[in-house]
Amino acid sequence: EIVLTQSPATLSLSPGERATLSCRASQNIYTFLAWYQQKPGQAPRLLIYDSSGRATGVPARFSGSGSGTDFILTVSSLEPEDFAVYYCQQRYKWPLTFGGGTQVEIK
Amino acid sequence: QVQLVESGGGVVQPGRSLRLSCAASGFTFSKYAMHWVRQAPGKGLEWVAILSHDGSNRVYADSLRGRFTISRENSKNTLYLQMDNLTIEDTAVYYCAKTRGDSCLGCYGMDVWGQGTTVTVSS
Repeated sequence: EIVLTQSPATLSLSPGERATLSCRASQNIYTFLAWYQQKPGQAPRLLIYDSSGRATGVPARFSGSGSGTDFILTVSSLEPEDFAVYYCQQRYKWPLTFGGGTQVEIK
Repeated sequence: QVQLVESGGGVVQPGRSLRLSCAASGFTFSKYAMHWVRQAPGKGLEWVAILSHDGSNRVYADSLRGRFTISRENSKNTLYLQMDNLTIEDTAVYYCAKTRGDSCLGCYGMDVWGQGTTVTVSS
């Protein structure tokens, strides 16, 4: 199965700062990567599909990029509600797999 | 509004079975593939299974070893997960989720999620 490795595990930033989250795939997955946000006690929320497509209702400060094995989720200026855990997920090959997550915490 | 509501979770002994349900509303259920995803306590997300919009195609996570069965009743706008021979490692919150793309298996991410139902396997 395809392994997704997210880094860093924890990102400590202040509101207003830029967040850059990484997801690396164990093999080429082209652009078949999604990003999700999960807050404590809540279900995940789709942010980005197919590497750079922004899901409905997702603010423009969230952007995704990458192809092949290396992908980036960028939050241009962190809002208080953006502090959460972020997961990447590939849909190139079955079984679908998620990365281990990056927690974005308030510094 | 678009909504998914899971039910059927609870506490069950190892080796027993449980069936989860996911009731959909606010969208044309029969047009979309549906997923089950689980999350063990304090852990990350683990994809469990997907079922095509018409029930003809299903894929499971390798780790399940044939113990789980995903199914749906489009006439009732409901998705199911039959879980047999449960183990302690199956303890998790189970989410159902809608595929973003219609008539497509696994396309474009999971754009609607339920609130989850908790399954605890314990003796």
